[in-house]
Formats: sequence, C-alpha cells, structure tokens
Amino acid sequence: AQSVTQLDSQVPVFEEAPVELRCNYSSSVSVYLFWYVQYPNQGLQLLLKYLSGSTLVESINGFEAEFNKSQTSFHLRKPSVHISDTAEYFCAVSANFGNEKLTFGTGTRLTIIP
Amino acid sequence: DTGVSQDPRHKITKRGQNVTFRCDPISEHNRLYWYRQTLGQGPEFLTYFQNEAQLEKSRLLSDRFSAERPKGSFSTLEIQRTEQGDSAMYLCASSLRGSSSTGELFFGEGSRLTVL
Repeated sequence: AQSVTQLDSQVPVFEEAPVELRCNYSSSVSVYLFWYVQYPNQGLQLLLKYLSGSTLVESINGFEAEFNKSQTSFHLRKPSVHISDTAEYFCAVSANFGNEKLTFGTGTRLTIIP
Repeated sequence: DTGVSQDPRHKITKRGQNVTFRCDPISEHNRLYWYRQTLGQGPEFLTYFQNEAQLEKSRLLSDRFSAERPKGSFSTLEIQRTEQGDSAMYLCASSLRGSSSTGELFFGEGSRLTVL
C-alpha cells in the first residue's frame, strides 16, 4: 500500500514570490507520482506527473516538481506565483503497475497575497 | 470529448433516504473510479471498475453503498439509508488502461451530498 504526506495544510505567499509545496510518500513498490490542482468550484485537474525518465517534470504554467527517490519526496515549486495560482494542491501516488488507483495526500491550500 | 460528467451536482436528503449518483466517463476510457472527499481531506478511494467488472472495493464502502457499471459505460453509486456521516463530495474519475496508458485519472466535478 502507498501513503502520501503533505505537511502544510495552508501556505500563504505574496504575489511574484517563490513557493514550495511539500510532498512525501511511502511505498514498498515503485510508484508513479502526481500533482493535481483544484481551483475554487472546479474538479481536480492534473498539474504534472512523474512516470519514468527525468526526475524533474514541468507543467505548462510554470510549476515543476522533482522526484527524489532517496528522500521519497516529490515537492512542487514555482519561482514566481500569480493570483490565478490560488487553489488547493493535492499530491498523489500510485503503484506503477496494476489498477492505477491513486492515493492522495490531504492537500495544501495555496493562497496568494496581492 | 466532453470529459467526465456527474449528476446531480448537489443533493440534499434526509437521514434514512436512499440516493443515487451517476457518472459518465470519457467515452473510450475502460476504467472508472469512485472517490469520496470530505472537508479538509484528500479524495479517498472507494471502488473501481474495468469495463463492467468491479475489481476492487475499499473498506470504506460499507454494505449501504453499492456501485454498478452494467454496460461498461456509465456508472451509478447508490447509498441506502443515508447517515449524516455520508455527507461528502463524491468524485468520479476515468482512465484508459492499455498500451497507451499514461497513468492519469480524469476527474468529474463531483456530486455533493448533504444529509440532514
């Protein structure tokens, strides 16, 4: 079984400042890793994912995450945030075989301060 | 492709009543998942189907919950004798399992249940 820990339930950040949202996972097997974003009154959307290959993955809107196997982490970063990044961010993990069932963390609410 | 759709979006019911939610996945997706999300928590896995076969059920899914996907397309999630603790957002997701699988689940906007 897999588990995900997101230690920060809320992160306030000034506009144009950098941000890091932390995610650690636990698994006895190899995994796929995901970040999903939930904007207010919308469904979950995939932000980025790590399946294999390069450990640094990027999204189209400037976020990036790095898979660190030794630290079992997949932290999400953005060098300069915008008001539109206000949302809840969920880290998720699945075994890289079988049913592709996602196990989610409890989420981090990112609030951008103008 | 209109994405994953769920109906109804909101349901308010009295304790003890039965409720049913419907999910229409992306048309070519062969896998369908149900999750439950409560305030301040991440989505929790309930069950999933590959085509019409229900392959896994979480221990969270009590005997009052039943899910079906009779023709391998849309799915229904029924909750019998609702309790206040059933109040949550019920999320449906679909994916394509096969050689072109990307591991991504596509989510609907959810059905919010309030049990009074």
